Amino acid sequence: NAGVTQTPKFRVLKTGQSMTLLCAQDMNHEYMYWYRQDPGMGLRLIHYSVGEGTTAKGEVPDGYNVSRLKKQNFLLGLESAAPSQTSVYFCASVPTGGAAEAFFGQGTRLTVV
Amino acid sequence: TQLLEQSPQFLSIQEGENLTVYCNSSSVFSSLQWYRQEPGEGPVLLVTVVTGGEVKKLKRLTFQFGDARKDSSLHITAAQPGDTGLYLCAGSKDAGNMLTFGGGTRLMVKP
Repeated sequence: NAGVTQTPKFRVLKTGQSMTLLCAQDMNHEYMYWYRQDPGMGLRLIHYSVGEGTTAKGEVPDGYNVSRLKKQNFLLGLESAAPSQTSVYFCASVPTGGAAEAFFGQGTRLTVV
Repeated sequence: TQLLEQSPQFLSIQEGENLTVYCNSSSVFSSLQWYRQEPGEGPVLLVTVVTGGEVKKLKRLTFQFGDARKDSSLHITAAQPGDTGLYLCAGSKDAGNMLTFGGGTRLMVKP
């Protein structure tokens, strides 16, 4: 079972470049989330989606955009990368809201130079 | 300021010791979860608590949800090196749309 798959796993960007991170889940989950995790820190919510075609801002949305055109995919875009966006990005999917378990991908390590 | 505050941030103990990690908030949560994260991996769920005052046990780990559903604790008895990792609490305030995490407690258990 694939579960939650993130691509790419590693990426180095130059300041000002753009890129898209892809999160794909094969569990038919409704909710999907994008987080960033800085060294030694917890996870901060960037954007999330409660269903196909819907997105909402999290705690730290500035500098990022998202799209959920298909239920199984949640894309995170950086339009103009900045060094402050150097981080490890995690995607999670949840069957429904409330107390359901969140399933995480392996993470994408992004470095902006 | 994070919605969920965890303490301590770091904890280094010897094998066999007991420890407690706290997760506090000024907000009421409909549920709280505890996750454990290994280096290079995503977090993995340990437990979910949904009822105020609820206590759940998972082998040597005991989880408690505060009566007012604003805080939670994780107690580990006789810690082992295999318990080493980053422990994260997470909560949903309302029906569960926004799942937010605490800053984490990094635990190191020395043999």
